Amino acid sequence: EIVLTQSPATLSLSPGERATLSCRASQSVSSYLAWYQQKPGQAPRLLIYDASNRATGIPARFSGSGSGTDFTLTISSLEPEDFAVYYCQQRSNWVITFGQGTRLEIK
Amino acid sequence: QVQLQESGPGLVKPSGTLSLTCAVSGGSISSSNWWSWVRQPPGKGLEWIGEIYHSGSTNYNPSLKSRVTISVDKSKNQFSLKLSSVTAADTAVYYCASLKAVAGTGGAFDIWGQGTMVTVSS
Repeated sequence: EIVLTQSPATLSLSPGERATLSCRASQSVSSYLAWYQQKPGQAPRLLIYDASNRATGIPARFSGSGSGTDFTLTISSLEPEDFAVYYCQQRSNWVITFGQGTRLEIK
Repeated sequence: QVQLQESGPGLVKPSGTLSLTCAVSGGSISSSNWWSWVRQPPGKGLEWIGEIYHSGSTNYNPSLKSRVTISVDKSKNQFSLKLSSVTAADTAVYYCASLKAVAGTGGAFDIWGQGTMVTVSS
C-alpha cells in the first residue's frame, strides 16, 4: 500500500499570501495524484486531478505540480474562503490512499 | 449532473453490522465509474473503505477487507455498504463518492455525497 505524507501539518498564512503544500508518496504514483479541499461540515471537493489538471469550476489560483513521488499544491494568492483542510489522494493497483491532511489557517 | 445521497441508521450497537446505501441520481450507476465508500472519524482524516463497479467487481481497503461488503443494485441505481463487527473506532461520517477510471490505477473522486454520521454505541 502506498503511503502519502503531507507537509506541513498546519500552515499559518495571511490572505493574499502564497501557499505551498506538499505531498510525498512512498513509491511512484506517476502523475496519478489528486488534491481535495474540505471545509468544516462539508464533503471534500476535488481541486486537482492527475497532478496538475484543475477540476471543473476551480479558480486559476489553484495549481498542482509534480510526478513520481513528490507533489505540490500551490495557491497563488490566498482568499478568505481558501482556509480549510487539504488532502492528497492516489489510486494504484486497485487500492486508494489519502494523505493525513494539511490544515491551512489564518495567521 | 450526478448526485449521491447516503442513507441508513445513525446509531449501531457494538459488535453489530453497519449498513448504508448510496442512491445515485442524475445518471446511471452503469456508467464508467467506480463507486466508493470513504469515512472520516470525528476530527480526523479521510479513509477509503472500498469500491465497486457496476459489474459487481469490488476492491477493498486491506485493513478493513475482512469486515466489509460492498454491493450494487442496478435496478435501483444504488450501491450499499455493510461493515460487520463494529466498534467505537468505526464511529465516523461515511461518504459515498464517484471516481472515473478505466483500470486499477488513477482516478479522482469528482462527486461526493453529503455524508452521514454513524455512531457505534450501546
